[in-house]
Amino acid sequence: AQSVTQPDIHITVSEGASLELRCNYSYGATPYLFWYVQSPGQGLQLLLKYFSGDTLVQGIKGFEAEFKRSQSSFNLRKPSVHWSDAAEYFCAVGVRGTYKYIFGTGTRLKVLA
Amino acid sequence: DADVTQTPRNRITKTGKRIMLECSQTKGHDRMYWYRQDPGLGLRLIYYSFDVKDINKGEISDGYSVSRQAQAKFSLSLESAIPNQTALYFCATSDPTGTSGSYNEQFFGPGTRLTVL
Repeated sequence: AQSVTQPDIHITVSEGASLELRCNYSYGATPYLFWYVQSPGQGLQLLLKYFSGDTLVQGIKGFEAEFKRSQSSFNLRKPSVHWSDAAEYFCAVGVRGTYKYIFGTGTRLKVLA
Repeated sequence: DADVTQTPRNRITKTGKRIMLECSQTKGHDRMYWYRQDPGLGLRLIYYSFDVKDINKGEISDGYSVSRQAQAKFSLSLESAIPNQTALYFCATSDPTGTSGSYNEQFFGPGTRLTVL
């Protein structure tokens, strides 16, 4: 069965520090992968997506993610975190043939001034 | 103006009451979804619809029903609310005709926080 794992429930970083949020997936075919961000009191907003091609994808707000097939991972990174990045981040997989999406349990990011 | 709107934004109700959550979109998308979000569980799919005549159950549809009144409107009902349906509910839309094919991003509403006492 398809699944998405985000091993870190909470992460705290200092402003200006680098960030990496982990995402691992279980899927039998080439996955469609997404990262969303949810700011407090808001809906989810797409940061970036991977369908095929270059395994390093750039997104909005200075985020990037790298697809590693051998590790079944799609980790999100940002070189320098800003206080406004404090939010919850969700990784998701698009399930082929069903037009559905499976979400991870989320990682809540706290940014220290 | 918001592209995906949800009403109400907050609702407190009592066990056994019927409640309807409404979702409207101006994006012109055919596909609409209802999710619930619980702490530590992420988003789980309740129902989804690909057009007004195509409605499908998600992974946690028990206790819920939906109605697709038009392309732009997709309502979620709890026929007899129970406390474990307390959650944050999201409506989302997607467009299968975009440049990336059938797995384009989903656009989410702001959510409805439902509390069942």
